[in-house]
Amino acid sequence: DTGVSQDPRHKITKRGQNVTFRCDPISEHNRLYWYRQTLGQGPEFLTYFQNEAQLEKSRLLSDRFSAERPKGSFSTLEIQRTEQGDSAMYLCASSFPRGGGSEQFFGPGTRLTVL
Amino acid sequence: QKEVEQDPGPLSVPEGAIVSLNCTYSNSAFQYFMWYRQYSRKGPELLMYTYSSGNKEDGRFTAQVDKSSKYISLFIRDSQPSDSATYLCANGGATNKLIFGTGTLLAVQP
Repeated sequence: DTGVSQDPRHKITKRGQNVTFRCDPISEHNRLYWYRQTLGQGPEFLTYFQNEAQLEKSRLLSDRFSAERPKGSFSTLEIQRTEQGDSAMYLCASSFPRGGGSEQFFGPGTRLTVL
Repeated sequence: QKEVEQDPGPLSVPEGAIVSLNCTYSNSAFQYFMWYRQYSRKGPELLMYTYSSGNKEDGRFTAQVDKSSKYISLFIRDSQPSDSATYLCANGGATNKLIFGTGTLLAVQP
């Protein structure tokens, strides 16, 4: 399968714990995005990388959230001191820019439940 | 006002019907438009991508963009029960950050 993969697919944690998610983009894609989706809403942008550089972060990304893409390949999203409001689907997408824009292809998501 | 507005539905149609899904957007700087299909508890799947006004057709799907009225549409011909899903419209700009609508839940009844 050459699509975007995410791990784990589901995570249940207790409030206050730290969690880390991983995303592996499509191999030739140099842009990688993180989004968050809650029930009944569309995905909301969190952050994006071009190669290893984090180029934009949303105001939704509080200081408890950190994302990395150390070698310009896979990325991790860590949430520290989780809160119940962090419960959501975390989606990763990748793209290869052409012209002024490009299609983003999404992974299956990681569903986080904070108890 | 949300940057991308979309009627959440639900929309229920009989099998074989033509489905029309619509969105409006507010940011003229965002020149790229996409439609995604999302099945329950799955990631969004890209259906259509366009950056110009007019129509783009792919099989049973037609995407339509009217930049003068900031209106985008997706038409599904000969709808099938397997088309039952949430349809998300999105637009993006040079940074490729996508702004999504809330999604429209579609049910195609056999």
